[in-house]
Amino acid sequence: EVQLVESGGGLVQPGGSLRLSCVASGFTFSRYAMSWVRQAPGKGLEWVSAISGGGDSTYYVDSVKGRFTVSKDISKNTMYLQMSSLRAEDTAVYYCAKDFALGGGTVVDYWGQGTLVTVSS
Amino acid sequence: EIVLTQSPATLSLSPGERATLSCRASQSVSSYLAWYQQNLGQAPRLLIYDASNRATGIPARFSGSGSGTDFTLTISSLEPEDFAVYYCQQRSNWPWTFGQGTKVEI
Repeated sequence: EVQLVESGGGLVQPGGSLRLSCVASGFTFSRYAMSWVRQAPGKGLEWVSAISGGGDSTYYVDSVKGRFTVSKDISKNTMYLQMSSLRAEDTAVYYCAKDFALGGGTVVDYWGQGTLVTVSS
Repeated sequence: EIVLTQSPATLSLSPGERATLSCRASQSVSSYLAWYQQNLGQAPRLLIYDASNRATGIPARFSGSGSGTDFTLTISSLEPEDFAVYYCQQRSNWPWTFGQGTKVEI
């Protein structure tokens, strides 16, 4: 059974940093691209970042480029999102998401339960 | 960035009725469009991928159609558990983007 478990969310001041983790199980982690998708309170879904199966290719939405870094530790079946220079508009539930692996762009077939990041003074 | 526009924003229907949700892309996404369902407080669930393919375990009352810029999600006969928010998503060009959602309410 595929499971994705996020952790690391919390309250942080503007300009601060936070690292999210997503521990994966039930599939061969190195074979699947993974993503972070966020949802601000009461709002829609926004793709934040993606990383290839082997971790050698990464992608970011413009609003987080230069501030967020996605990585994978395949030995630990864990994906990370290092977030710095956080802003109020980064406040959201952050979901870890697994690619369905259709080839090309991502379709998410499994989601984590989400971890809430609140940026406020 | 490809913008996906969903309509209507809210759809008010009764159980047993047919629901038709629309998603329009700002440029062609070929057939690289997916639909997700999200219930309050839960993660989204994949319903349809590549415009018309039902994901594993999705009931046959859910169907998708379209290509290029215009897509439709149809729920043939609404069940109580279908009242939720539905999002379309394109995977043609990075960044992958979602529509703003359609809420199907009673």
